[in-house]
Amino acid sequence: KAGVTQTPRYLIKTRGQQVTLSCSPISGHRSVSWYQQTPGQGLQFLFEYFSETQRNKGNFPGRFSGRQFSNSRSEMNVSTLELGDSALYLCASSHRDTYEQYFGPGTRLTVT
Amino acid sequence: GESVGLHLPTLSVQEGDNSIINCAYSNSASDYFIWYKQESGKGPQFIIDIRSNMDKRQGQRVTVLLNKTVKHLSLQIAATQPGDSAVYFCAEKWGAQKLVFGQGTRLTINP
Repeated sequence: KAGVTQTPRYLIKTRGQQVTLSCSPISGHRSVSWYQQTPGQGLQFLFEYFSETQRNKGNFPGRFSGRQFSNSRSEMNVSTLELGDSALYLCASSHRDTYEQYFGPGTRLTVT
Repeated sequence: GESVGLHLPTLSVQEGDNSIINCAYSNSASDYFIWYKQESGKGPQFIIDIRSNMDKRQGQRVTVLLNKTVKHLSLQIAATQPGDSAVYFCAEKWGAQKLVFGQGTRLTINP
């Protein structure tokens, strides 16, 4: 089975711009979660989607949003980028009935 | 608040020795815990999990111990190998599919 894929792998944006990141889960997995990883804050939960519905949300501002499509693929969007948004954004997928989450390689976002 | 912490940010062990990585968690209601391994440039990789109705679970060369009384979790790696060098994270489940991660421990293997 192919693993979780994320595109793009690397991205450079400037402050004020917006960005969209994409995640394709493992085939058959319907839950997709997003995390932000920074050296200072570590791994922090952004949100989780299941069957196109957001089930859980972390403590991030409204500039961070996401969605899930009928094929379980997910996107997250960050608007009005700030320098502090520079991070590795990780996507994880899991089967409905398990909590075991499988992570993708991440998208490295740099905001200048 | 939400916090899963680690006692040591770095750990160096000799190749062949056993490694023990510790973790303290804060949510006494958590019923599921996971250990992840993250190598440079990669996403976290699942190692082993344990539910709160267990005290111990063993995998291949790894053992996770859970002490609910003191809200402590540990990961033991037997016969540590160079390929074990990575950052190790513990995580606890908060609600449906939400994991709260610890800060991570960097494990370095000395030849």
